[in-house]
Amino acid sequence: GQQLNQSPQSMFIQEGEDVSMNCTSSSIFNTWLWYKQDPGEGPVLLIALYKAGELTSNGRLTAQFGITRKDSFLNISASIPSDVGIYFCAGFYRSGNTPLVFGKGTRLSVIA
Amino acid sequence: EAGVAQSPRYKIIEKRQSVAFWCNPISGHATLYWYQQILGQGPKLLIQFQNNGVVDDSQLPKDRFSAERLKGVDSTLKIQPAKLEDSAVYLCASSRRANYPSSYNEQFFGPGTRLTVL
Repeated sequence: GQQLNQSPQSMFIQEGEDVSMNCTSSSIFNTWLWYKQDPGEGPVLLIALYKAGELTSNGRLTAQFGITRKDSFLNISASIPSDVGIYFCAGFYRSGNTPLVFGKGTRLSVIA
Repeated sequence: EAGVAQSPRYKIIEKRQSVAFWCNPISGHATLYWYQQILGQGPKLLIQFQNNGVVDDSQLPKDRFSAERLKGVDSTLKIQPAKLEDSAVYLCASSRRANYPSSYNEQFFGPGTRLTVL
């Protein structure tokens, strides 16, 4: 099936630093979703992207839908301790009735 | 607005036993999904319902897994008999309607049920 390559797998950053993570695919996607998952909880939707080139912000988070339709990135500015968690990209690829495909996640650790 | 509810939150069983999970989606959401999330991986779709009909169950191990959504609202997922490799978090999600424009596809997840098979 379709796969999303998410990188990096993990990150250790200092509080206040900016963070960038991305997701790539060999296939065209028509929707990108970014989720955050805390330990023992389900994923929480952060940002949804529907058009190539779209740039959307949610507080300190900014995500973009790549113009090739094969990638997306998520930036977090001025990280704080509560940003710790696993961030997943997910998307619907361009072939009609298809399931939501998830990346393997980026584990973010913030050092105070 | 209440989120997706799931129960139980944790379950420990021995292999070859049976187990069932329950999910109540967000009110008004027509589409319901069950996912399996193995440690260190992203969620993997097991089955998708549109109202009370199955849309996609291609990745459901049908020899041991079953799911139903009889009245088009809440749903149960059953494993019988369980194997060691079924240890995972089982997530339920819902959306307003699958394959409709844009935001109707956004899926909202419950807290999950963590299953341990010994």
